[in-house]
Amino acid sequence: DTAVSQTPKYLVTQMGNDKSIKCEQNLGHDTMYWYKQDSKKFLKIMFSYNNKELIINETVPNRFSPKSPDKAHLNLHINSLELGDSAVYFCASSQGGPNEQFFGPGTRLTVL
Amino acid sequence: AQKVTQAQTEISVVEKEDVTLDCVYETRDTTYYLFWYKQPPSGELVFLIRRNSFDEQNEISGRYSWNFQKSTSSFNFTITASQVVDSAVYFCAHYRAGNQFYFGTGTSLTVIP
Repeated sequence: DTAVSQTPKYLVTQMGNDKSIKCEQNLGHDTMYWYKQDSKKFLKIMFSYNNKELIINETVPNRFSPKSPDKAHLNLHINSLELGDSAVYFCASSQGGPNEQFFGPGTRLTVL
Repeated sequence: AQKVTQAQTEISVVEKEDVTLDCVYETRDTTYYLFWYKQPPSGELVFLIRRNSFDEQNEISGRYSWNFQKSTSSFNFTITASQVVDSAVYFCAHYRAGNQFYFGTGTSLTVIP
């Protein structure tokens, strides 16, 4: 069984569209994360979330919003997509705090 | 501000050579954690090691070893007798309280057969 899964693996869309990326973990973890990796491989945390607290990286535009229907899922919704949003988005989960994070396979988003 | 610097953008070595990947961090915290992750060409990120700020003991795991020195704010990673399968991007990361992770810019290692 895949520990952390993301769908879709590839997403190609037009500027201005709204899209979502889904993430599910079956590890029983309390904390989930979204990261953005740009074309230069820079990896930056966007959000961390557990059932108590959402921490948002202040540099993330408010067009990005995490949505968690339950503890095992943390979806990423993006409004009004821009060219600069093109990147690989990774979901991760952990037991919270300074524990090892388990990453999903990534979703490559291309905005045309 | 927290910062993680991996000054080596790209490194190429010939198979069986030893290679050290540098990581320098900046923090004012007394309690913090450091990590190394590997990202092979397939793209997934794989955890390698975690160290807390109170444990400066060096760690060895097979061909991998880590040298943590608080005096120089460094957490370097050495691969002994490198293999082609070691080719990947390696990230050093720093954690501080509040689920805040800061990743370095990564070092791309190519091991030439």
